[in-house]
Amino acid sequence: GESVGLHLPTLSVQEGDNSIINCAYSNSASDYFIWYKQESGKGPQFIIDIRSNMDKRQGQRVTVLLNKTVKHLSLQIAATQPGDSAVYFCVEGGYQKVTFGTGTKLQVIP
Amino acid sequence: ETGVTQTPRHLVMGMTNKKSLKCEQHLGHNAMYWYKQSAKKPLELMFVYNFKEQTENNSVPSRFSPECPNSSHLFLHLHTLQPEDSALYLCASSQDKLTGSNQPQHFGDGTRLSIL
Repeated sequence: GESVGLHLPTLSVQEGDNSIINCAYSNSASDYFIWYKQESGKGPQFIIDIRSNMDKRQGQRVTVLLNKTVKHLSLQIAATQPGDSAVYFCVEGGYQKVTFGTGTKLQVIP
Repeated sequence: ETGVTQTPRHLVMGMTNKKSLKCEQHLGHNAMYWYKQSAKKPLELMFVYNFKEQTENNSVPSRFSPECPNSSHLFLHLHTLQPEDSALYLCASSQDKLTGSNQPQHFGDGTRLSIL
């Protein structure tokens, strides 16, 4: 499943499927991007980051894609698990300024 | 264990009360941050301390008063709060303010504040 935008949409995904969460950022000068995961009752937790000299970076079951031309960032989660249920938000940074997105809620259906 | 500990986890207070939120980090970082998180809104940066000096105050009302006695501890003193101040207050740290925008910040689990 996919979601778009910085408002708080909800993405519902079947367990085992892949998830794609999208983010549009605003500042073309931003050169560092982070995805955080926030579970209910907890603080944001770092998942993966990418710098502007790259367009793709992979972690364990997660991949971040960066398209600077259209100022778009995406987080792909492979084989989504119940423990992936959380709010995910992208952050654009660099030049001593950090801007947080509103987040996307990911619901995993068992 | 996130390395950043916030207490209390929950706080209910009346508008005339005075209370304090505490944040402690065990990561050896030199920059600490207070954020406000309200429902369906992006995190709002409130204050930044770098090497114990306040470097940023994002037009926060004076009823919120931060204190940073050393690089490991950060407080947020609250007095005469309003109902709209009810939110999750998050503390974060980074190596220093410069790297805070080029590396991940480390967050605590927050204090859920409810103003009656």
